[in-house]
Amino acid sequence: GAVVSQHPSRVICKSGTSVKIECRSLDFQATTMFWYRQFPKQSLMLMATSNEGSKATYEQGVEKDKFLINHASLTLSTLTVTSAHPEDSSFYICSARDLAGAGRSYEQYFGPGTRLTVT
Amino acid sequence: AQTVTQSQPEMSVQEAETVTLSCTYDTSESDYYLFWYKQPPSRQMILVIRQEAYKQQNATENRFSVNFQKAAKSFSLKISDSQLGDAAMYFCAYRSARGGGADGLTFGKGTHLIIQP
Repeated sequence: GAVVSQHPSRVICKSGTSVKIECRSLDFQATTMFWYRQFPKQSLMLMATSNEGSKATYEQGVEKDKFLINHASLTLSTLTVTSAHPEDSSFYICSARDLAGAGRSYEQYFGPGTRLTVT
Repeated sequence: AQTVTQSQPEMSVQEAETVTLSCTYDTSESDYYLFWYKQPPSRQMILVIRQEAYKQQNATENRFSVNFQKAAKSFSLKISDSQLGDAAMYFCAYRSARGGGADGLTFGKGTHLIIQP
């Protein structure tokens, strides 16, 4: 159990276009999902926290107008990179909190990631 | 803000030997969680072990154990009987216990573990 999927796994887009990445919890409900960004051979950086039915909370330095996050249901959060530029090329990973594990020691489950290349 | 430091960019160990990966962190909070994650070449993040700060006992999961020193803010990972499948990037991570679990993870820069056959 506790599987998180991301779609697409890889995407190439032209500079100036927008691209949407989906994060789904397949066998559990997630009130909270997190989006991370990982540059090559670097660590994961938290970009934003996505809460179902409310606005996302962005980390300092993350442009909310460039990285649009929508958490429309308990199993789906989307990240849209708007007007993408080559510097947005990166590996994007989502994680989801299991609602059933609410309380102190909930588990976060990670998706397999999406590699975005902007040409 | 919390910070997590992994001072070993790369470690190498012979198969079947034991290796210890270091992690230190900085926080003003007293209640939090610490994690070690493994990221193989597939890039899928895999939870290795978790430690609750309020627990004095060090967490253990089969061949993986931690040495949690709260006062020193140190959280090292020991891998016993290293196997070829353990080769990966290992990330130490911190999560606050406040906010009802609404906080994301703060990661260290990672340690690339190489297993020599």
